[in-house]
Amino acid sequence: NAGVMQNPRHLVRRRGQEARLRCSPMKGHSHVYWYRQLPEEGLKFMVYLQKENIIDESGMPKERFSAEFPKEGPSILRIQQVVRGDSAAYFCASSPEGPEGQPQHFGDGTRLSIL
Amino acid sequence: QKEVEQNSGPLSVPEGAIASLNCTYSDRGSQSFFWYRQYSGKSPELIMFIYSNGDKEDGRFTAQLNKASQYVSLLIRDSQPSDSATYLCAVTHGSSNTGKLIFGQGTTLQVKP
Repeated sequence: NAGVMQNPRHLVRRRGQEARLRCSPMKGHSHVYWYRQLPEEGLKFMVYLQKENIIDESGMPKERFSAEFPKEGPSILRIQQVVRGDSAAYFCASSPEGPEGQPQHFGDGTRLSIL
Repeated sequence: QKEVEQNSGPLSVPEGAIASLNCTYSDRGSQSFFWYRQYSGKSPELIMFIYSNGDKEDGRFTAQLNKASQYVSLLIRDSQPSDSATYLCAVTHGSSNTGKLIFGQGTTLQVKP
């Protein structure tokens, strides 16, 4: 499967726990984007990363959220001390190198539920 | 004013008809425009992208862009019940130039057999 791979597909956490969401971009893609979709709301940009660099984190909440894309391995979106309001679908997208504005392809998402 | 606006619908068309989905955007610096289809509970699927003014056709889909009017549309010819989904318009954030996408709320399309 050469598509964007996200895991886990579903994640349940209790309030105060940590959530780690993983994303492997499509083969040949080096740009990774994270988006969040709250229930009955649109997709909102969170962060854009390239290998070992955060390029744009203007959509990330100021606290508890962090993202990384290490030289080896998947991109990780980390949410510390989760609260009920973090319940959402988190989508990762990737695009190839080149001029900005290349089409982004989405993974199947991680549905995060906070008890 | 929202950055990307779409009529939420639902837009209902009979099978075989042309469905016309519209989107306006506020950032004149936006350079790239995308249409995604999202079935309920699923992830967005790229349908079309367009960078230049005019029309771009791919099979039953045509994207139209008018930068002067800040307007982008998607036409679906010979609509099928399987086209029933939410269609998301997305534009790149012009001033940031990072490829960050701004999405509209989506238009729900219902194609009735």
